[in-house]
Amino acid sequence: EVQLVESEGDLVQPGGSLRLSCAASGFSVSTYWMSWVRQAPGKGLEWVANIKKDGSEKYYVDSVKGRFTISRDNAKNSLYLQMNSLRAEDTAMYYCVREWWYSSGDYWGQGTLVTVSS
Amino acid sequence: DIQMTQSPSSVSASVGDRVTISCRASQSIASWLAWYQQKPGKAPKLLIYAVSNLQSGVPSRFSGSGSGTDFTLTISSLQPEDFATYYCQQSKSFPLTFGAGTKVEIK
Repeated sequence: EVQLVESEGDLVQPGGSLRLSCAASGFSVSTYWMSWVRQAPGKGLEWVANIKKDGSEKYYVDSVKGRFTISRDNAKNSLYLQMNSLRAEDTAMYYCVREWWYSSGDYWGQGTLVTVSS
Repeated sequence: DIQMTQSPSSVSASVGDRVTISCRASQSIASWLAWYQQKPGKAPKLLIYAVSNLQSGVPSRFSGSGSGTDFTLTISSLQPEDFATYYCQQSKSFPLTFGAGTKVEIK
């Protein structure tokens, strides 16, 4: 059974950092592009970043460029999101997503809540 | 960036109704369109990929159509479990973008 399990989120002060992890099981992350998608409380979905199977290509939404870094460890079957210089507007539920045909997200984690507040 | 405009933002419907949700892209996205369903407190669920391909396990009352810039999600006969918010997403170019969502509510 395919599962994606995100690490626990946290309350972080503005300007702080947090690293999210996503542990995959039931498949090998090395054979899929992987993404992070977020959803601010009561709002819609926003794609954050994705990474190619071998990690050689990474793409980001403009609002996180230079602050967030997506990475993967295929040996650990895991995906990561390093978030630096966090802002209040980064407060959201963060989902780990497996990309499938035409980059659609066929499996999603349960989500982890990141709150940026003083 | 490609903007995705969904309409309506909400729709009230009864069980058994046919419901149609539209999604318009700001430029041609060919077949790079997916539809998701999200229920409160849950992660989104993939319904349709590449415009019209039904994801495994999704009931056949869901269908997708369209091409270029205009796309449609149709629920042929609304069931109680279909009351949720629906999102379209383009994956033609980065950044990948979602529509604002359409909430399907009970009439």
